[in-house]
Amino acid sequence: AQSVTQLGSHVSVSEGALVLLRCNYSSSVPPYLFWYVQYPNQGLQLLLKYTSAATLVKGINGFEAEFKKSETSFHLTKPSAHMSDAAEYFCAVSDRWGGSSNTGKLIFGQGTTLQVKP
Amino acid sequence: GAVVSQHPSRVICKSGTSVKIECRSLDFQATTMFWYRQFPKQSLMLMATSNEGSKATYEQGVEKDKFLINHASLTLSTLTVTSAHPEDSSFYICSARGLAGGEQYFGPGTRLTVT
Repeated sequence: AQSVTQLGSHVSVSEGALVLLRCNYSSSVPPYLFWYVQYPNQGLQLLLKYTSAATLVKGINGFEAEFKKSETSFHLTKPSAHMSDAAEYFCAVSDRWGGSSNTGKLIFGQGTTLQVKP
Repeated sequence: GAVVSQHPSRVICKSGTSVKIECRSLDFQATTMFWYRQFPKQSLMLMATSNEGSKATYEQGVEKDKFLINHASLTLSTLTVTSAHPEDSSFYICSARGLAGGEQYFGPGTRLTVT
C-alpha cells in the first residue's frame, strides 16, 4: 500500500523568500514521486517527478525536490518565491512508471496551499 | 503536446437527471484514462481507471452504477453521473496516459453543480 502525507495544509511566505513544501511517503515498493500544481478551477500541472534516477530533481518554474529514502521524504523547494507561485500543491506517489498496465495509479496527498505575500 | 480537454467545463443540472462529461486526449492516443473527484479545498480522489475497449476498474466505495465510465476509443472517455443528487456536486478531473505509459496528463476539470 502507498500513502502520502503533506505536512502543513497552508504555507505562507514573502515574495523572494524560500519556499519549502513538505511531503512524506509510505510505500512497500520503490516509489515514483511527483509534485503537481493546481491553480483555481484548473486541472493539475506536473512540476517534477522522481523515477529512480537522480535523487535531486529539477522541475519547471525553478522548483526542485530531493528524494531521501532514509527519511521517506520528497520535499519541494524553490529559492525565491514569486507572486505567481501562489497555488495549491499536491505531492503524489505511484508504484510504477512506464508500461501500459492498468496500475500505476497516483495516490495524492492532502495538498498544501501556498500563499505569497508581497 | 499532450493536451487533455474536458467538456463541459461547468454544468448545472437538476436533481434526478443525468450528466455526461467528456475527456479527450487531443494530440496523443490514451490507452488508460483516470477519473478523479475533488471536493473544495481537498485532494483528488481516484474514482476509476479505464482502459480503451474494456470495463473500467472502480475504486472501493465508488458506485459503478451511478458513475458510468465508457472508454470507447483511444482519445475519448466519458463519465456519466446518473440520477445526480446535490451530494454529487464536485469538481471532476480526468487524466490520460499514452500508449507507452508513464506520465498522466490532466484535463482542466468539470465543475458539476446539482440543484
